[in-house]
Amino acid sequence: DTAVSQTPKYLVTQMGNDKSIKCEQNLGHDTMYWYKQDSKKFLKIMFSYNNKELIINETVPNRFSPKSPDKAHLNLHINSLELGDSAVYFCASSKIQGWPLSDGYTFGSGTRLTVV
Amino acid sequence: TQLLEQSPQFLSIQEGENLTVYCNSSSVFSSLQWYRQEPGEGPVLLVTVVTGGEVKKLKRLTFQFGDARKDSSLHITAAQPGDTGLYLCASRSRLTFGEGTQLTVNP
Repeated sequence: DTAVSQTPKYLVTQMGNDKSIKCEQNLGHDTMYWYKQDSKKFLKIMFSYNNKELIINETVPNRFSPKSPDKAHLNLHINSLELGDSAVYFCASSKIQGWPLSDGYTFGSGTRLTVV
Repeated sequence: TQLLEQSPQFLSIQEGENLTVYCNSSSVFSSLQWYRQEPGEGPVLLVTVVTGGEVKKLKRLTFQFGDARKDSSLHITAAQPGDTGLYLCASRSRLTFGEGTQLTVNP
């Protein structure tokens, strides 16, 4: 199946730990993203990445870092986890950023991160 | 202040009713998109509107892009329980989503 897959689906961890969330897409898309969805369901961009450019939302703490081993993968590493990091994290992909206009994101199913 | 403001935030209606949700901004967009998100899943693209004044229909869903390309609306006719979900408008070029409208259609 063509899709965006992310693992794990659920992640419960203690404050201060370091964790990673993996994301893979087999759609041949050029751009991948990480979004954070808070408890009020608001989706906020964290990173946008293609093989040429990383766009970082300046409000994202530098404890968060994307790692892309190749065009089909964009993993999210989080250091020194804090209670406020608890949220659902979505990976997404699309064709070239912003083009064509009719194209949309394809999202993964999300990773629910709970920091205790 | 959000770039894309959606209203209402919550909507609970009975099966068979009609409804409209709105996505408004003071900015002009090259295009706007609508997504539906169900519990435990990521948002799924419903439609993209590109031209000012454009109207697109997807079965019982009608999407409109404002003439000035600053706003959009989603109208659902004869809502069904299967329409329940979180409806999000988005600007992909701005990497921005609205706050969403949580729709519940009761049987």
